[in-house]
Amino acid sequence: GAGVSQSPSNKVTEKGKDVELRCDPISGHTALYWYRQSLGQGLEFLIYFQGNSAPDKSGLPSDRFSAERTGGSVSTLTIQRTQQEDSAVYLCASSLNRGAGSSYEQYFGPGTRLTVT
Amino acid sequence: AQSVAQPEDQVNVAEGNPLTVKCTYSVSGNPYLFWYVQYPNRGLQFLLKYITGDNLVKGSYGFEAEFNKSQTSFHLKKPSALVSDSALYFCAVSLFDSWGKLQFGAGTQVVVTP
Repeated sequence: GAGVSQSPSNKVTEKGKDVELRCDPISGHTALYWYRQSLGQGLEFLIYFQGNSAPDKSGLPSDRFSAERTGGSVSTLTIQRTQQEDSAVYLCASSLNRGAGSSYEQYFGPGTRLTVT
Repeated sequence: AQSVAQPEDQVNVAEGNPLTVKCTYSVSGNPYLFWYVQYPNRGLQFLLKYITGDNLVKGSYGFEAEFNKSQTSFHLKKPSALVSDSALYFCAVSLFDSWGKLQFGAGTQVVVTP
C-alpha cells in the first residue's frame, strides 16, 4: 500500500515568513510523529499524536512551532516567523498502535527540506 | 533522561565480511530498541526492533541485533556485508510509557567496499 507522504518535498522561504508542512500517514495508522533532521542536531523528536489523546509536544523547540492533526489522519506542522536555524529536513512518521495490532515501529516519509534564507 | 550512543561515526568493511554497528543506551526503565537505515536523499527505513522476548531479533535484509541488558547494548550485525548495505544507520530507543518519543543516536555511516 501507499507509504507516508509529505509535501512539499522542498521549501525555500525568507526569514520571518510562516510555513506549513503537510503529512499524510499510512491509512489506518493511529499514531503520527514529526521529527527534524539537521547536520548539527541529528534527528530530533518534535511531537506525536496518538488517537484522540492530547499530543506529546515536549520536543517542540519554541512556541513558533505548532502542529495539528485533523480527523485523525492528515497533519500539518506550522512554523511561524521562520529563522535560519529552522533550516532542516522535517520528517513525518506513522505507526499502528492499537490493541493487539500494535507494532510500535514507525514508518517514515521522504521528508520536507526547509531552507530559510 | 534516556540517551543513545553510537560510538563510531563510520564503519568500513569489505564486501563479504561481517558487519557490526554498535549501539549502547541509557534509560530508567525497560527500553524499546530500534534500528533504522537511511539511504542518500531518502527517508528512514525500519530494519528491526526489540520490544520483549528473545534477545536476538532478526530483521530486514539479513540484519540481526542482540539485546544485552547487562551491557545496555543493542548492536546491529550482518554476517556477510554487501556493497548495497552502504548507508547511514541509526539506533533509537523509547520507553513503554512514552513509546512514541524516539531518541536517536547520532548515526553511523557504513561503507562497504567491493
